Amino acid sequence: ELKVEQNPLFLSMQEGKNYTIYCNYSTTSDRLYWYRQDPGKSLESLFVLLSNGAVKQEGRLMASLDTKARLSTLHITAAVHDLSATYFCAVVEGSSNTGKLIFGQGTTLQVKP
Amino acid sequence: DAGITQSPRYKITETGRQVTLMCHQTWSHSYMFWYRQDLGHGLRLIYYSAAADITDKGEVPDGYVVSRSKTENFPLTLESATRSQTSVYFCASSEGRRTDTQYFGPGTRLTVL
Repeated sequence: ELKVEQNPLFLSMQEGKNYTIYCNYSTTSDRLYWYRQDPGKSLESLFVLLSNGAVKQEGRLMASLDTKARLSTLHITAAVHDLSATYFCAVVEGSSNTGKLIFGQGTTLQVKP
Repeated sequence: DAGITQSPRYKITETGRQVTLMCHQTWSHSYMFWYRQDLGHGLRLIYYSAAADITDKGEVPDGYVVSRSKTENFPLTLESATRSQTSVYFCASSEGRRTDTQYFGPGTRLTVL
């Protein structure tokens, strides 16, 4: 059974600082997604990572995937208040074409001025 | 407007009542999904559908029924609501290709008294 764990679950940081969110998963998968959720809102897709060593960047966020270690990271550079949100990673089981996603618990990021 | 919509956005019901949550997408996506979001659990897949008249169970299907007679609609029915089904429900859709991102609806907040 695929399990996905994120850490930390809560992160309070100062503006301008760097930090990394970790996403570990328990069985083989070749696709990993990162989503953002603002309070009371829906989920917004950030990144799709499809292969070992994949790296995607958008603004102050950079995501990477190591399929051998079953680990993805979401790195935040020089955080700003607008990045305050909950971030989820989600993994597809094996090489399934159904797109069935298993989500991590989410990491709530609070960026303080 | 194009996209994925859910109705109602908020619903309060009583234990034992039947409730149907609606999901409609205008993209003609093949795949549709229902998730529930609870604190500490991230999102968990309830049911998904690969096409009209094709549905399958996810992680937590007990107490729920789905149907998909048309590509664009994917209603979720709670046959006899229980307090443990109090949650936020999200519908999502994707084109179904292997690398596709799932796009999420705005969510329905359901309270079962």
